[in-house]
Amino acid sequence: AQSVTQLDSQVPVFEEAPVELRCNYSSSVSVYLFWYVQYPNQGLQLLLKYLSGSTLVESINGFEAEFNKSQTSFHLRKPSVHISDTAEYFCAVSGGTGTASKLTFGTGTRLQVTL
Amino acid sequence: NAGVTQTPKFQVLKTGQSMTLQCAQDMNHEYMSWYRQDPGMGLRLIHYSVGAGITDQGEVPNGYNVSRSTTEDFPLRLLSAAPSQTSVYFCASRPRADANTGELFFGEGSRLTVL
Repeated sequence: AQSVTQLDSQVPVFEEAPVELRCNYSSSVSVYLFWYVQYPNQGLQLLLKYLSGSTLVESINGFEAEFNKSQTSFHLRKPSVHISDTAEYFCAVSGGTGTASKLTFGTGTRLQVTL
Repeated sequence: NAGVTQTPKFQVLKTGQSMTLQCAQDMNHEYMSWYRQDPGMGLRLIHYSVGAGITDQGEVPNGYNVSRSTTEDFPLRLLSAAPSQTSVYFCASRPRADANTGELFFGEGSRLTVL
């Protein structure tokens, strides 16, 4: 079984400030990790993913996440947020192989960026 | 570039009524799935399909039926709606059924209210 814990349901932050959204996971097999973003009244979009190789992965809009196997974490960070980053962010884990593998989502963190 | 299309976007039902949420994708994806999103609970998998004619249950299948007669379509049926099924429903697909590293592509969601 696999699970994802997002410790913060809401994170308020001022524009241009740094932010970290926390994600911890548990799994009995090797995992693949994802961050999805959901803008208001839209579906989810993939932000970034870790499959293998470098433990630091980046998105095209300045977010980054680091896979830490010893701490079973995959925290999302951005050094300077913008108003347009206001959204809900979901961490997800995929494990197992073949068609038995499924994506398990965390409960989400709502990032609210204000001036 | 239609991607994943869900209809209707909004629906209000009375307890005991039945309805079908439609999902269609034009990307020739093998894998299709239905999630429900509830506040504080993230996204939970209802049913999924790894190809035409093949469906399986997810985490919360009770009260829902699915079928996959074509690659493109994956409708979700509520046979007798209950207030507990008030939620936002998302259809998602990915190219290959066995690729748990693959990105899920989401529709824009269907907001269902059961009175």
